[in-house]
Amino acid sequence: GIQVEQSPPDLILQEGANSTLRCNFSDSVNNLQWFHQNPWGQLINLFYIPSGTKQNGRLSATTVATERYSLLYISSSQTTDSGVYFCAVAGGYQKVTFGTGTKLQVIP
Amino acid sequence: DAGVTQSPTHLIKTRGQQVTLRCSPKSGHDTVSWYQQALGQGPQFIFQYYEEEERQRGNFPDRFSGHQFPNYSSELNVNALLLGDSALYLCASSLALSGHPSYEQYFGPGTRLTVT
Repeated sequence: GIQVEQSPPDLILQEGANSTLRCNFSDSVNNLQWFHQNPWGQLINLFYIPSGTKQNGRLSATTVATERYSLLYISSSQTTDSGVYFCAVAGGYQKVTFGTGTKLQVIP
Repeated sequence: DAGVTQSPTHLIKTRGQQVTLRCSPKSGHDTVSWYQQALGQGPQFIFQYYEEEERQRGNFPDRFSGHQFPNYSSELNVNALLLGDSALYLCASSLALSGHPSYEQYFGPGTRLTVT
């Protein structure tokens, strides 16, 4: 199956700082999502982005499918951005595989 | 627009018992997937249901079974519970496109299962 690795595994930011989270995958995918898991366990959809670039407020994402990676950008971070960020991928009609996650802590 | 709902929120069971978890998909969705998330790890795919049939399955034993009803809601059953089954169980729904599952999934709040 597809292997998905995320980096960095842990990240501590001062409020207001910017960050880039990376998701690498081992095979071709045609489905990719970014999620934010809050401290209560709820997975919140951020982007459905199998390719290209999307932006939503302070967040943006880019997927370069041919090079097998995706990036999530967080600008002007806020304490409410804290939590774990996951990417999830699937190739063809294969099962969804989640990455290892990036745990983000934003301190005031 | 109702999102994905799951019940119960929390559950405590004893080793060897059986448990049933329930999920109602987001309005307009017809596909339901179940995931197990152990503490500190990413969600692991259990199986997916579409048109009341199991379409895909992850690496989980037969103790894990499911069902999808005509109204698209779904149940996850786990028999002969083990301590290692303690986890957050997540349900996700999506809309199939031309009969094929879409992977733009929306997740419910989860059921936290503790096996003692």
